[in-house]
Amino acid sequence: AQSVSQHNHHVILSEAASLELGCNYSYGGTVNLFWYVQYPGQHLQLLLKYFSGDPLVKGIKGFEAEFIKSKFSFNLRKPSVQWSDTAEYFCAVSVSSNDYKLSFGAGTTVTVRA
Amino acid sequence: DAGVIQSPRHEVTEMGQEVTLRCKPISGHDYLFWYRQTMMRGLELLIYFNNNVPIDDSGMPEDRFSAKMPNASFSTLKIQPSEPRDSAVYFCASSPGTVLNAFFGQGTRLTVV
Repeated sequence: AQSVSQHNHHVILSEAASLELGCNYSYGGTVNLFWYVQYPGQHLQLLLKYFSGDPLVKGIKGFEAEFIKSKFSFNLRKPSVQWSDTAEYFCAVSVSSNDYKLSFGAGTTVTVRA
Repeated sequence: DAGVIQSPRHEVTEMGQEVTLRCKPISGHDYLFWYRQTMMRGLELLIYFNNNVPIDDSGMPEDRFSAKMPNASFSTLKIQPSEPRDSAVYFCASSPGTVLNAFFGQGTRLTVV
């Protein structure tokens, strides 16, 4: 079964700083990759997703992620964070031949200080 | 569309009581998923349905948990009897065809005391 690893449990940074969250998965076949965000007290919302094509994916709220197949990675980035980006971020993977199940990483809590 | 609707938003119950969580998926979505979120285990898929039929319930922790989907617009997750370790946030999600477009509900925060 595939697994998803998120390297950072908690990231604290100041407004305008750049953000990069790591995500690695363990599956050798074709995968679909997702980043979800969960604002305090709210449900998960899709930030961006990768199915195929350009490995650099742009999502909502200025986020982007890069799929590097050789590294089994799908890191999330934002050049300049805002206080409103304070949230928990989840990487998720589905196996294309079985793409009705999402496996989530443990999540990374991002705290942006004003 | 109002999105995926879950009820109740919060539930506090005593150990041993039966708990029923409810979910109304987005109209037209033929996949429905139940997830549990805890600090220790993160987000776990409990069960999912396709066209009202349970497809994979391997994530259901034990026999105390059961889920039904009597029609395309309603699903329940029942815990009987409930235990303190069941305390978690339970999310329902629906998708139009595959999980590639899963929409999550607001979740039910369950506390078993």
